[in-house]
Amino acid sequence: AQSVTQPDIHITVSEGASLELRCNYSYGATPYLFWYVQSPGQGLQLLLKYFSGDTLVQGIKGFEAEFKRSQSSFNLRKPSVHWSDAAEYFCAVSTSGTYKYIFGTGTRLKVLA
Amino acid sequence: GAGVSQSPSNKVTEKGKDVELRCDPISGHTALYWYRQSLGQGLEFLIYFQGNSAPDKSGLPSDRFSAERTGGSVSTLTIQRTQQEDSAVYLCASSSTSGVWNEQFFGPGTRLTVL
Repeated sequence: AQSVTQPDIHITVSEGASLELRCNYSYGATPYLFWYVQSPGQGLQLLLKYFSGDTLVQGIKGFEAEFKRSQSSFNLRKPSVHWSDAAEYFCAVSTSGTYKYIFGTGTRLKVLA
Repeated sequence: GAGVSQSPSNKVTEKGKDVELRCDPISGHTALYWYRQSLGQGLEFLIYFQGNSAPDKSGLPSDRFSAERTGGSVSTLTIQRTQQEDSAVYLCASSSTSGVWNEQFFGPGTRLTVL
């Protein structure tokens, strides 16, 4: 069965430091992959998505993610974290290219001033 | 409207009571989705509406859960005879169509607490 794993429940980084959030998926075919961010009291906002083509995807707010088929990973990165990036981040995969997303359990990011 | 809205933002109810959660999608969006976000869990797909087609109810956890969408716009998720395990944040999303390439826009959610 398809699944998404985010191995880090909590991550703490200092403002200005680089960030990498891990996401591994289990899916036989070419996946459609997404990263969402959820700020406190807010709905989820799409950061970026990967369907095909260039494996390095640029998103909003300075985020990027790299699709690595050999590692079944889609890690999210940001070179310099801002305090406003503190939030929960969810990785998701679309099953069979449909509207049914499978979400990971999320990674909560804390940013130290 | 400018975004997906949901009401109420918080709902506390007693075990065994029925609750109704409302979702107003973005105007013109034909696809509407409900998800459940339980503590420590990812989002769980519940139900999907697309235009006038029959909804995909495959994610509903039990027959106590039902949803309807009136006039192709507003949707109501109803939970009958609530149980403590129903406590969660219920998120609604909408998209312009149902294709995977169309971004799902999420509302802020309704936090349901069953005592």
